[in-house]
Amino acid sequence: AQKVTQAQTEISVVEKEDVTLDCVYETRDTTYYLFWYKQPPSGELVFLIRRNSFDEQNEISGRYSWNFQKSTSSFNFTITASQVVDSAVYFCALSEARRGTYKYIFGTGTRLKVLA
Amino acid sequence: GAGVSQSPSNKVTEKGKDVELRCDPISGHTALYWYRQSLGQGLEFLIYFQGNSAPDKSGLPSDRFSAERTGGSVSTLTIQRTQQEDSAVYLCASSFKVDDWKLFFGSGTQLSVL
Repeated sequence: AQKVTQAQTEISVVEKEDVTLDCVYETRDTTYYLFWYKQPPSGELVFLIRRNSFDEQNEISGRYSWNFQKSTSSFNFTITASQVVDSAVYFCALSEARRGTYKYIFGTGTRLKVLA
Repeated sequence: GAGVSQSPSNKVTEKGKDVELRCDPISGHTALYWYRQSLGQGLEFLIYFQGNSAPDKSGLPSDRFSAERTGGSVSTLTIQRTQQEDSAVYLCASSFKVDDWKLFFGSGTQLSVL
C-alpha cells in the first residue's frame, strides 16, 4: 500500500538556521514519483519539486535542496539559511503512476515556523 | 482562467442539508483532482477526473459524496445530507494532463457543518 509519513508535525527555527524536513514513503511499485508542496498561510499549495524513482540525484535550487535515498525510502527537504517567508506547511507526496490511476498520496504535513 | 478557482470560499450549512462545491480548473487542463484537508490530517484524496471521466473515485468517503465534471472543465463536488464530520477544507487541483506530474491548487472551500 502507498503511504507517506512526515513524522515532524511542527518545527520552529530561528532565521538563518538550516532545517531539514523528513519524508518517508512506502510503495510496492518500482516506478513512482515523489513531490514536495508548500502551503503558505494564504492557503494555496504550491509545487516545489518532482522526482521519479529512477533518478536518485540530489537536487539543489537556491536555498532548497532535496535528498532522495531509495535505500531508506526517504525524500528529505532541506532549507538552508531559513527566512521568515519560508514559514508554511510543507507536504510530501507520492504517486505510483499505475496504469489506470494517477492519484497522489500526501503526508500529513510539517508546519515550519521561522522566527525573526 | 489564470489559476484554479473554487467557490464558495466559505460555506456554512446545517447538518442534513446538501451542498455543492465548484471548481474551475486552469483553462486547457485535462486532469482535475479533489482533496479534503482536515485539521492535522493532511490531504485526503477523494476523486480525480481525466476529461469528464473519473478513473479513480476510491477516496469518496461514502455514497453521500459525488462529483461530476462537464465539458472537460468545471467540476462540482456534491455532499448530500451533510454531517459534522464533513467539516473540512475541500481543495481542487488541476494539471495539464494526468502524467504531467505537477498540480496547481485552488485556495479551497472551507465547509462548516453545524
